[in-house]
Amino acid sequence: GNSVTQMEGPVTLSEEAFLTINCTYTATGYPSLFWYVQYPGEGLQLLLKATKADDKGSNKGFEATYRKETTSFHLEKGSVQVSDSAVYFCALNAGGTSYGKLTFGQGTILTVHP
Amino acid sequence: GAGVSQSPRYKVTKRGQDVALRCDPISGHVSLYWYRQALGQGPEFLTYFNYEAQQDKSGLPNDRFSAERPEGSISTLTIQRTEQRDSAMYRCASSLAGSPGNTIYFGEGSWLTVV
Repeated sequence: GNSVTQMEGPVTLSEEAFLTINCTYTATGYPSLFWYVQYPGEGLQLLLKATKADDKGSNKGFEATYRKETTSFHLEKGSVQVSDSAVYFCALNAGGTSYGKLTFGQGTILTVHP
Repeated sequence: GAGVSQSPRYKVTKRGQDVALRCDPISGHVSLYWYRQALGQGPEFLTYFNYEAQQDKSGLPNDRFSAERPEGSISTLTIQRTEQRDSAMYRCASSLAGSPGNTIYFGEGSWLTVV
């Protein structure tokens, strides 16, 4: 079946540090890949996505590249801010018979200190 | 409305009672999804609809859970004879269509506590 594995958290960084949150996946076919974020007290919102191999999704200074050869979609940001503190979820949509549903990782809590 | 709207936001119910959770998707969105999220975990798929047709209910844990979307817009997730293990956040989401590349927009969720 389809699955997503994220690096275990929590991750604690100082402001302006470099961020990487690892995400690897298992899926049949060619899934679309997503990063969702949940800020404190808010709902789940899409951060970025990539729909085919070698695509790079980017938003708000965050980037992730769809690597089919390593089945990975690692999230990176060059300089984090306190406002980036949130829970980050990697997810895939495999299409095919799984058309219309997302499979999520367990989430990674990020805390950024001033 | 501007986003996916869910109600109630918080529900405390006694074990054995039935609960109905409501979802109002983004206007014009064809596909509607229900997910369940336990504390410290990612959301898990329950079911989804295209228009009023339930396309996939493979994630519903047992026959106490059901969902409907009779007019292709608002949806209701019903849990009968609730149990403590049903306590979780229930998230509704919608998208223009169920294509894998389409963005799925989530509501703020309904927290259910069964006591």
